[in-house]
Amino acid sequence: NAGVMQNPRHLVRRRGQEARLRCSPMKGHSHVYWYRQLPEEGLKFMVYLQKENIIDESGMPKERFSAEFPKEGPSILRIQQVVRGDSAAYFCASSPRLAGTSYNEQFFGPGTRLTVL
Amino acid sequence: ILNVEQSPQSLHVQEGDSTNFTCSFPSSNFYALHWYRWETAKSPEALFVMTLNGDEKKKGRISATLNTKEGYSYLYIKGSQPEDSATYLCAFIKAPETSGSRLTFGEGTQLTVNP
Repeated sequence: NAGVMQNPRHLVRRRGQEARLRCSPMKGHSHVYWYRQLPEEGLKFMVYLQKENIIDESGMPKERFSAEFPKEGPSILRIQQVVRGDSAAYFCASSPRLAGTSYNEQFFGPGTRLTVL
Repeated sequence: ILNVEQSPQSLHVQEGDSTNFTCSFPSSNFYALHWYRWETAKSPEALFVMTLNGDEKKKGRISATLNTKEGYSYLYIKGSQPEDSATYLCAFIKAPETSGSRLTFGEGTQLTVNP
């Protein structure tokens, strides 16, 4: 069973370009979370998605950032018109759907390191 | 804003030493606490998911305890080995309203075990 996969692992963008980060959850996992680690900071929650639904996006900046988890295919975190402050490591995690619990272990991907020039 | 605090921020020990570190979190609206181990250039790896006051969990030489009433958890490593060197993160889950199981992480304790 392959783990959580993220690509690309490293992404370089110039200011004003778009960044697309992909996350394929573990097989059988229907919950996806995105976290961001800014330089010298800890992991911070951004968004929680289930298939075709955004459940909680309270940690995501209101502008330029969007996320989706379509019925087919990976989850995508999109950052439009990137700025230098978006440079960070973006981690995706997935968990299975277990009835009656909301504290499932989350399995993390290797992260995408975004550098904005 | 949820405050999850870990101490110490970093720790250097000698091989064979036993060590422990602390995670403190809000005691109200507690739902679960996760411990993760994060090695450089790798993904965070789950160690324990703890939900009940008084929980004690163990995996090999690593164990953890939980006190939800006073809002803290301890992680213990017995007989530290160089391969234990990593950052140890705790993450708190508030009682879910509609937001499910998002994790609020502490800043981590960076452990270095010297041979």
